[in-house]
Amino acid sequence: QVQLVQSGAEVREPGASVRVSCQAYGYTFSNYYMHWVRQAPGQGLEWMGIINPNGFSTHYAQKFQGRVTVTRDTSATTVYMELSSLRSEDTAVYYCARELPGGFFDYWGQGTLVTVSS
Amino acid sequence: QTVVTQEPSLTVSPGGTVTLTCASNTGAVTSGYYANWFQQKPGQAPRALIYSTNNKHSWTPARFSGSLLGSKAALTLSGVQPEDEADYYCLLYYYGGPWVFGGGTKLTVL
Repeated sequence: QVQLVQSGAEVREPGASVRVSCQAYGYTFSNYYMHWVRQAPGQGLEWMGIINPNGFSTHYAQKFQGRVTVTRDTSATTVYMELSSLRSEDTAVYYCARELPGGFFDYWGQGTLVTVSS
Repeated sequence: QTVVTQEPSLTVSPGGTVTLTCASNTGAVTSGYYANWFQQKPGQAPRALIYSTNNKHSWTPARFSGSLLGSKAALTLSGVQPEDEADYYCLLYYYGGPWVFGGGTKLTVL
């Protein structure tokens, strides 16, 4: 069955970077976009960025431009999200979610808690 | 800056009907915004309910429906159940660019 399995919780100091992975199972990986979404404690969902099925095109929310990089390894059916220059406000649960082109969102990862603290 | 607005909170009685809406500060929401709706319960990942305005997933209960209502996207729950108490988020696509979430609606079943 379809599963998106994310890497485990991370703790980073301010100014550091973090990379979160999302490994896909149970479907044709190259047919779907993958999105990254985050949720700060007690807050709503925030869209961060997307990578297209072939991995050659990305688009990021303006807020994260220059700090976020999304990549994919098709052979490993894994998508990565790297966020740099971390600050305390980046403490959040980070989710991956897949989309069949045309606005068909369905499966989400279980979430990865990233804590930024000195 | 693109802003998507939802009702912060709504209360509905069990068995009742409630409509949640999703508006864009750029103008009327149309089918081209591919509105998606998600349900999130405490401590859980979001769960997809509706895609591309009005299409249900295989797991979406029949009491949930999506539509366009005036200039907004809408999610209607008919015959609300206690287990529908949750946060609900809409997500809109902006051509050539980002997706943007609404701020979420906290639905209380009381």
